[in-house]
Amino acid sequence: NAGVTQTPKFQVLKTGQSMTLQCAQDMNHEYMSWYRQDPGMGLRLIHYSVGAGITDQGEVPNGYNVSRSTTEDFPLRLLSAAPSQTSVYFCASSYRFINEQFFGPGTRLTVL
Amino acid sequence: RKEVEQDPGPFNVPEGATVAFNCTYSNSASQSFFWYRQDCRKEPKLLMSVYSSGNEDGRFTAQLNRASQYISLLIRDSKLSDSATYLCVVNGGGGADGLTFGKGTHLIIQP
Repeated sequence: NAGVTQTPKFQVLKTGQSMTLQCAQDMNHEYMSWYRQDPGMGLRLIHYSVGAGITDQGEVPNGYNVSRSTTEDFPLRLLSAAPSQTSVYFCASSYRFINEQFFGPGTRLTVL
Repeated sequence: RKEVEQDPGPFNVPEGATVAFNCTYSNSASQSFFWYRQDCRKEPKLLMSVYSSGNEDGRFTAQLNRASQYISLLIRDSKLSDSATYLCVVNGGGGADGLTFGKGTHLIIQP
């Protein structure tokens, strides 16, 4: 099992550019989520999905879109990158939302 | 708003000592409780789940006090490799977005 994989590991964008952060899991988990982690702020939930075809907003959803067309994949799209979106992004999955979550290795994003 | 509070530290502890952290949570309907460990520039990894009856795994012991709404983590005979940030995580008690992370407690084990 690869667990939760994320690509890319590092990315630098210019303000206004768009991009997609990829996340995949091979554990047949129903629940997937995206977090951002900033110094002094802890992990904050961006979007989550309780199953294929179902997504919802977390604490900080503005500027991001998600989709869940398959159980395995949960991409995060930045629509028009802003310097405030400079952060480390983690994708996580779990069997159900109340179970322990498994995290991917993260994507370090810098927006200039 | 659901809150999870932790002392950020850092806790500077000599190798071999015992160290304990507490974490308080605000949502009395919370269902699941976990301790995660996060090393610098790495992803959080599950250390242990916290059950109502407590949980022990080697040198690590976790306790849950529902009445006072806190969970604790005890590390005995601390090792240099225990140096990390420990995240308290509380799940449930609302919708599927119920996972709430504390900001973490930074532990430094000194030789």
